[in-house]
Amino acid sequence: ETGVTQTPRHLVMGMTNKKSLKCEQHLGHNAMYWYKQSAKKPLELMFVYNFKEQTENNSVPSRFSPECPNSSHLFLHLHTLQPEDSALYLCASSQWTSGSSYNEQFFGPGTRLTVL
Amino acid sequence: AQSVTQPDIHITVSEGASLELRCNYSYGATPYLFWYVQSPGQGLQLLLKYFSGDTLVQGIKGFEAEFKRSQSSFNLRKPSVHWSDAAEYFCAVGAMKTSYDKVIFGPGTSLSVIP
Repeated sequence: ETGVTQTPRHLVMGMTNKKSLKCEQHLGHNAMYWYKQSAKKPLELMFVYNFKEQTENNSVPSRFSPECPNSSHLFLHLHTLQPEDSALYLCASSQWTSGSSYNEQFFGPGTRLTVL
Repeated sequence: AQSVTQPDIHITVSEGASLELRCNYSYGATPYLFWYVQSPGQGLQLLLKYFSGDTLVQGIKGFEAEFKRSQSSFNLRKPSVHWSDAAEYFCAVGAMKTSYDKVIFGPGTSLSVIP
């Protein structure tokens, strides 16, 4: 596997279900990100992890719970979601270096989530 | 605050015609600029980026973009569009934060290609 992978690619869940999205990066990066892409809206940054530590939570509801066990893996645990949470969830990674230069993010293919 | 605008929500061009997608940004310092493409049901693919140096940047799939500081613009161009170029295009500006590299995306321009 190369780049950033995400599983599953499609997920349909009821509002009472609990599910998890998985992201894995094979690029040796130290920062990982979750984004939400809803129809007709710009990409929204949800969470950022740097060296496994959460450094950004963009006012995301608690029904979304991220987990980063190591620098290569990122999970998004979902519970009691609402229909308006239906969206494409994208994972990204980058090699963050303190204060010296900007490094671009590399994106996975996304998980298309439908909440019934 | 940083922001990105893409004035055209949707553009339709004929196959073989030239293409220009507009992007304007607001950013206080020298920007890091990107164009991404997203095909239906897919993630984001980086077309090209500008960090410094030559203001005309070449990317993949025959795309290029020109950074114009005086106009705060970073327009994407292609001389001859192919049917496979139909997709959503996102302009973005990058900003260094204390603990990660932030990206601010524009709302996107949807491109349709007529055979």
